Amino acid sequence: GESVGLHLPTLSVQEGDNSIINCAYSNSASDYFIWYKQESGKGPQFIIDIRSNMDKRQGQRVTVLLNKTVKHLSLQIAATQPGDSAVYFCAENIAGTASKLTFGTGTRLQVML
Amino acid sequence: DTAVSQTPKYLVTQMGNDKSIKCEQNLGHDTMYWYKQDSKKFLKIMFSYNNKELIINETVPNRFSPKSPDKAHLNLHINSLELGDSAVYFCASSRLAGGPVDTQYFGPGTRLTVL
Repeated sequence: GESVGLHLPTLSVQEGDNSIINCAYSNSASDYFIWYKQESGKGPQFIIDIRSNMDKRQGQRVTVLLNKTVKHLSLQIAATQPGDSAVYFCAENIAGTASKLTFGTGTRLQVML
Repeated sequence: DTAVSQTPKYLVTQMGNDKSIKCEQNLGHDTMYWYKQDSKKFLKIMFSYNNKELIINETVPNRFSPKSPDKAHLNLHINSLELGDSAVYFCASSRLAGGPVDTQYFGPGTRLTVL
């Protein structure tokens, strides 16, 4: 399934399926992007990041894709598990703004058993 | 071992009071941050300190004053608390600012409720 992270939408997927969470950014000067996972009652947890000189980066069960032409970022989670249920945030850093991260509004991922 | 820790985890107080939230990181990072997360889960940076020096100061009321006694600690003091200050406040840290942006690691959050 796919979802765009606006107004905290919810993406529901079956356990074992792949999840795709999308994020749009507006500033072409952004050169660093990061995905965080936030479980209920906890702080954001780093998942994966990517710099603007790359189009794709893979981690364990996760892949981030960056399309600079259309200013789009996606997080793919393979074989989604119940423990993946959380709110997912994308964030961007605009070159020259020190370490300032600007966060998206988040997408809630619900994994159905 | 907790990498970024905050105290207290919950803080309930009356309007007009002054309160502080403490943050400590044991990662050896040079840069620390404070974020505010509202009831809609929107996460926004408030301040950033690099080696005890303020480097990011967003549009935040001057009732909020960060204090960094050393590079492992960044405390947030809030004067004259208002209802709108109710939120979850997160501390974070990362390696040296000024170079390529590095991963920020977040604490568990402090839920502030102003009555």
